[in-house]
Amino acid sequence: RKEVEQDPGPFNVPEGATVAFNCTYSNSASQSFFWYRQDCRKEPKLLMSVYSSGNEDGRFTAQLNRASQYISLLIRDSKLSDSATYLCAVNSKNSGYSTLTFGKGTMLLVSP
Amino acid sequence: NAGVTQTPKFQVLKTGQSMTLQCAQDMNHEYMSWYRQDPGMGLRLIHYSVGAGITDQGEVPNGYNVSRSTTEDFPLRLLSAAPSQTSVYFCASSQGTAPGANVLTFGAGSRLTVL
Repeated sequence: RKEVEQDPGPFNVPEGATVAFNCTYSNSASQSFFWYRQDCRKEPKLLMSVYSSGNEDGRFTAQLNRASQYISLLIRDSKLSDSATYLCAVNSKNSGYSTLTFGKGTMLLVSP
Repeated sequence: NAGVTQTPKFQVLKTGQSMTLQCAQDMNHEYMSWYRQDPGMGLRLIHYSVGAGITDQGEVPNGYNVSRSTTEDFPLRLLSAAPSQTSVYFCASSQGTAPGANVLTFGAGSRLTVL
């Protein structure tokens, strides 16, 4: 099982739709979880951190399920501007230090 | 604040040439790292540093060297470029590695083509 796995998509949805992405991770000791957004030919930018209790930021909701080792991102009322690739990131130990491992990303295309 | 600054943005090399990708951050971050991003492969960690004078290898370190002589700078050196190193390179930094301090800020990326 790869360290961090995502469905590559693309997810094609109409404006206004609700869409959800999952990301599974293999290291049960991981403590930090993030969703990043990456626009075409740009750098990844932090969308939100994921907390144990779940957290919400406007139309975006992130959840963590430690028992099943996955995190999720829910986007409500999709906008055209939400079209991007969404990367999940999970920390793991690397030679004694914690580093972030990224999934390959899930592409979202929102159409009019 | 400029954040994380990478230079050059674009570079074309011939096989066997050497070059250095520069990365500088002005946020006083202790942790800095280099990732490469290839189609279908996602972001893969090359090297990282937890502070000045301390560096370590990531998932794909072969063919790359790094050093960290100051907190601000973390250059990535390609010793003898190969076509397999054609990629987009991202430098990223964070306050530290502990939960809560490990949110990465990325530079704009450097696109490297090796012919």
